[in-house]
Amino acid sequence: KAGVTQTPRYLIKTRGQQVTLSCSPISGHRSVSWYQQTPGQGLQFLFEYFSETQRNKGNFPGRFSGRQFSNSRSEMNVSTLELGDSALYLCASSLSSGGAHEQYFGPGTRLTVT
Amino acid sequence: SQQGEEDPQALSIQEGENATMNCSYKTSINNLQWYRQNSGRGLVHLILIRSNEREKHSGRLRVTLDTSKKSSSLLITASRAADTASYFCASSYNTDKLIFGTGTRLQVFP
Repeated sequence: KAGVTQTPRYLIKTRGQQVTLSCSPISGHRSVSWYQQTPGQGLQFLFEYFSETQRNKGNFPGRFSGRQFSNSRSEMNVSTLELGDSALYLCASSLSSGGAHEQYFGPGTRLTVT
Repeated sequence: SQQGEEDPQALSIQEGENATMNCSYKTSINNLQWYRQNSGRGLVHLILIRSNEREKHSGRLRVTLDTSKKSSSLLITASRAADTASYFCASSYNTDKLIFGTGTRLQVFP
């Protein structure tokens, strides 16, 4: 099976712009979770989608949003970018939601905001 | 914060030695998982241990879970240079979401 893929791998944006990140899960996985990883805050949970529905959301402002399509692919959008949004964004797919099964991670998208 | 705490934050050992990392969490869990991350890449799942299990093995890895102390440990035996990575525990609460700990950076010297 192909692993989790994320595009783009690297991105440089300017403050105030918006960005969309994409994640394709492992075939058959219906859960996609997104995480933000920074040196200062570590791995922080953004949100999880299961069968096109947002199941859980972390403590992030409304500028962070996402969606999941019928083929389980997911996108994450960040509007009005701030310098503090610079991070590695990881998506993970799983058979079920809520951490009941192991998660399979993509390589991540490295976002730099200048 | 809901994050678990990992101890130590960093660990340096020689090849062939054993490495032990500890994780503490805050509330009752459904399961606890361990992941490895190499140099800012994606995480790789190592082991999942359920709340009704006390010990689990996978190759050179041994994970224990003590629900009375709300803690888990990961033991890597006969470490290799290739084991150099960051190791994270992640707790699943009430099938809500997976919360990751702060991580342990392991350096294995040849």
